[in-house]
Amino acid sequence: AQSVAQPEDQVNVAEGNPLTVKCTYSVSGNPYLFWYVQYPNRGLQFLLKYITGDNLVKGSYGFEAEFNKSQTSFHLKKPSALVSDSALYFCAVRDGTNAGKSTFGDGTTLTVKP
Amino acid sequence: DSGVTQTPKHLITATGQRVTLRCSPRSGDLSVYWYQQSLDQGLQFLIQYYNGEERAKGNILERFSAQQFPDLHSELNLSSLELGDSALYFCASSAGTSGYEQYFGPGTRLTVT
Repeated sequence: AQSVAQPEDQVNVAEGNPLTVKCTYSVSGNPYLFWYVQYPNRGLQFLLKYITGDNLVKGSYGFEAEFNKSQTSFHLKKPSALVSDSALYFCAVRDGTNAGKSTFGDGTTLTVKP
Repeated sequence: DSGVTQTPKHLITATGQRVTLRCSPRSGDLSVYWYQQSLDQGLQFLIQYYNGEERAKGNILERFSAQQFPDLHSELNLSSLELGDSALYFCASSAGTSGYEQYFGPGTRLTVT
């Protein structure tokens, strides 16, 4: 079985400061990892993915994520937060054999204060 | 705008009833995914269709069924509705079967009273 943990329900940062949203995972086989963002009353938007290759993955809107196999983590980061980054962030995982069957974390609400 | 459309936007119905949710994928996408988002269970993958055929199955109840039609739109049928089925139902699409980048629709909010 595959699972995702987002240990923080809420992350608060000041605008201009770096942000990190944490994610750890469990999956048999090679992990495929994803981050999505959800704004109020909207569907999820794809931010970035790790399939293979470099451990540092760059995505949309200046976000990046670092894959750490030994720690089974895939933390989302951004060097300088914007107020408009405030949203709900989901980490997701699937193994390479299970087509589209992704497992999502419970989500982390990011609030960036001016 | 993701290019994925879902209708209706809101649906209110009574327990025991049956409803159909509709999804049109992005132009050119062959895969459609259905998800249920609720406060107590989070975002749950229900089912995936690829070019008309079921490709992957998640935590979908037997009271729920889905299909993808030749024009690639998909419908999610929910029957014998219970209060606990109240949730936001999302459809997503992707070009292939892998689901690496899924594009989500705005969702259908179902309220069962």
